[in-house]
Amino acid sequence: GAGVSQSPSNKVTEKGKDVELRCDPISGHTALYWYRQSLGQGLEFLIYFQGNSAPDKSGLPSDRFSAERTGGSVSTLTIQRTQQEDSAVYLCASRNPDRGGELFFGEGSRLTVL
Amino acid sequence: AQSVTQLGSHVSVSEGALVLLRCNYSSSVPPYLFWYVQYPNQGLQLLLKYTTGATLVKGINGFEAEFKKSETSFHLTKPSAHMSDAAEYFCAVSDGSTNAGKSTFGDGTTLTVKP
Repeated sequence: GAGVSQSPSNKVTEKGKDVELRCDPISGHTALYWYRQSLGQGLEFLIYFQGNSAPDKSGLPSDRFSAERTGGSVSTLTIQRTQQEDSAVYLCASRNPDRGGELFFGEGSRLTVL
Repeated sequence: AQSVTQLGSHVSVSEGALVLLRCNYSSSVPPYLFWYVQYPNQGLQLLLKYTTGATLVKGINGFEAEFKKSETSFHLTKPSAHMSDAAEYFCAVSDGSTNAGKSTFGDGTTLTVKP
């Protein structure tokens, strides 16, 4: 497809379980971002990948959170030993730095931790 | 470091009235500035952006914003609100000197349009 694709769109899990969220960016976009949006909150930056550079992980809230980007394309955000406060919508965005600074967002993965 | 402050988490206007959503930013480098809109149960989409050049920028759906460096502001306006404008609006800033790095978002403003 032409847009950013995220899966799953909804995930319900039990406290303590691990979850993986996937993001497939727009083809050719070298920059990829993960943000978290909690109910009634703004967007919280989590992590940023740019090409082959080391990712900016400064927004990851704890060592239970990790992300990787394979082959400069698809990214996976992993949350280990989920907690109820991890419940949120996780948004992925991609960007082509050669064509301005705007981000193109997926529709998000809604995570509910029971 | 960059930051964004959106004044007013909720704004309510009548249909046909002026829409004004306020955004102030802080940046130690020339900024790129953005407004995004999020309709219910959807992802964010770009409304408009300022990078360089003309400080008054026009976006989709009749929205516009003016970059005022002296006031570090980038307020969003629309002359006449429509019911379909009801949504959440986010202001964002990124590093315009390198066009790299993360975008920092404000907390968002929920716009309600009354009939």
